[in-house]
Amino acid sequence: IAGITQAPTSQILAAGRRMTLRCTQDMRHNAMYWYRQDLGLGLRLIHYSNTAGTTGKGEVPDGYSVSRANTDDFPLTLASAVPSQTSVYFCASSDSGTSGSGELFFGEGSRLTVL
Amino acid sequence: GQNIDQPTEMTATEGAIVQINCTYQTSGFNGLFWYQQHAGEAPTFLSYNVLDGLEEKGRFSSFLSRSKGYSYLLLKELQMKDSASYLCAVRDSNYQLIWGAGTKLIIKP
Repeated sequence: IAGITQAPTSQILAAGRRMTLRCTQDMRHNAMYWYRQDLGLGLRLIHYSNTAGTTGKGEVPDGYSVSRANTDDFPLTLASAVPSQTSVYFCASSDSGTSGSGELFFGEGSRLTVL
Repeated sequence: GQNIDQPTEMTATEGAIVQINCTYQTSGFNGLFWYQQHAGEAPTFLSYNVLDGLEEKGRFSSFLSRSKGYSYLLLKELQMKDSASYLCAVRDSNYQLIWGAGTKLIIKP
């Protein structure tokens, strides 16, 4: 049972480089999310997708883009990385139907360092 | 603005009981979640409250008072493996999750 798979788990890259963090889920959840987690701060939503083909901006979207071509994949792209984007990035998914709590299931995280 | 407050850090003794509080001010309310996050790992779901009262699940219980904007997570019979951060999150009127910064719980023998 894979759940949500993120890649890479860790990456160091130079400022100005382009980087894509991959996220794949096998639970057929319709909603997917990208969060960043920084010390002393709560999880902050970057972008989300309620269903394949649609995306939306979260709390901190600047410098990031996403796409949702199908149900399973939700990549996050940093077009030109800056040091302030050094963080741990979590992909998550949920079954946002009307039944149940719609709790989030998280990937293991991608630790990104921008120098 | 929307805000979730929880203590930054708490310390408790193995075998004891600890209560982690969470107060919130959000635009609407559609449920409150507690997640556990061990260091270097992903958050995992613990509990969900949408109605007032206590929800018990084994050694963990979660309480909600919507009129007071208040919740707590109660951990009984503490074990060393309970050392982790506990995250409180509220789903607002737009069905977006607002997250607290988390409470780091340290368990001492």
